[in-house]
Amino acid sequence: DIVMTQSPATLSVSPGERVTLSCRASQSVSSNLAWYQQKPGQAPRLLIYGASTRATGVPARFGGSGSGTEFTLTISSLQSEDFAVYSCQQYNNWPPWTFGQGTKVEIK
Amino acid sequence: EVQVVESGGGLVKPGGSLRLSCAASGFSFRSSSMNWVRQAPGKGLEWVSSISSSSSYIYYEDSVKGRFTISRDNAKNSVFLQMNSLRGEDTAVYYCATGDYGDPFDYWGQGTLVTVSS
Repeated sequence: DIVMTQSPATLSVSPGERVTLSCRASQSVSSNLAWYQQKPGQAPRLLIYGASTRATGVPARFGGSGSGTEFTLTISSLQSEDFAVYSCQQYNNWPPWTFGQGTKVEIK
Repeated sequence: EVQVVESGGGLVKPGGSLRLSCAASGFSFRSSSMNWVRQAPGKGLEWVSSISSSSSYIYYEDSVKGRFTISRDNAKNSVFLQMNSLRGEDTAVYYCATGDYGDPFDYWGQGTLVTVSS
């Protein structure tokens, strides 16, 4: 099974700052990598797929990059509504489809 | 507009059973694979089971094999998860999500809470 590892576990940032989250796969997943945003009490929301393609309605401040085993989610200027947990998922080698443990972005 | 709505969660004793339902609309359900993902309290997301559009290809996470059964009714745009021999570690919010094999999970329901406790 492919293990997805995210870092850091928690990130404390101020509104307006640039944020970079990392996701590493235990073996290559090509570009079959998605990022999800989850706010407390809500379902996950697809943000990025194909490692770098924004899903419908996702603001341009969200950007994804990487391929193979190393991936990054960047939020160019953090807004108040962006404080949430972000999880990566590989959909290249399945089953199982595997997720990272998540990175919590909290207010500094 | 795509809508995914889960139901059927609740409190059940260890060893008990529960059947979750997921009603979907706003897309071509009979052409789409469907998935169940769970999230234990304070934990990350964990894939549970998936079923292809015609039910020909079904997959389970190892810890639920032999205990959970996924099925679908394309006439009713619904997918189900029959959960037997439930354990404490099955306690979680269970989400139903759209997503074909080889694609991300693009639409998710709000989830239904399953609590396994005596």
